[in-house]
Amino acid sequence: LAKTTQPISMDSYEGQEVNITCSHNNIATNDYITWYQQFPSQGPRFIIQGYKTKVTNEVASLFIPADRKSSTLSLPRVSLSDTAVYYCLVVRAYSGAGSYQLTFGKGTKLSVIP
Amino acid sequence: GAGVSQSPRYKVAKRGQDVALRCDPISGHVSLFWYQQALGQGPEFLTYFQNEAQLDKSGLPSDRFFAERPEGSVSTLKIQRTQQEDSAVYLCASSLDVSQPQHFGDGTRLSIL
Repeated sequence: LAKTTQPISMDSYEGQEVNITCSHNNIATNDYITWYQQFPSQGPRFIIQGYKTKVTNEVASLFIPADRKSSTLSLPRVSLSDTAVYYCLVVRAYSGAGSYQLTFGKGTKLSVIP
Repeated sequence: GAGVSQSPRYKVAKRGQDVALRCDPISGHVSLFWYQQALGQGPEFLTYFQNEAQLDKSGLPSDRFFAERPEGSVSTLKIQRTQQEDSAVYLCASSLDVSQPQHFGDGTRLSIL
């Protein structure tokens, strides 16, 4: 699976929009991009998933350019409770064989400042 | 319950003891995964079940680690003759099937003294 690269840490003030960019240069045709959020002492929580263009849900938006070599997670108007580690993952689409484990990097530690 | 439940939340054992960690997945979820998370790192894959079949155990660090899911629901991760390097958070995740997002429990924090 394609290796992902994302910033180690980011700081943001409350109320601002936060964009976390992830690069995945070697993404394959049948891979998609998934983002998870993890708070201390909790398991990772699924945020959003996409294949191309733009995906939006009640929590975040995910922007994926045409070449799919990078993606950007956008969190609108962050609050203190958004302080967490955010993981970008490349996930292999179902192919009828193999395992489907998630491969996590170190993630991006987002600190929201009052 | 509504989510993935893991027990115990904390486990302290002496080096050399055997431990068993339990995972109750979301009802109806076919796929079940175990991960190990060291401090400051992302989770790392250990093993994967599809119903009761263990389809991938390539991430298990040694033959001291053993996982089972005999009835395709509850799963147990067993570590024999524990060593200090086994200290970590052990996370369980389940999904409706392999193409769906995984739902994680809050893990078991294992400390080996």
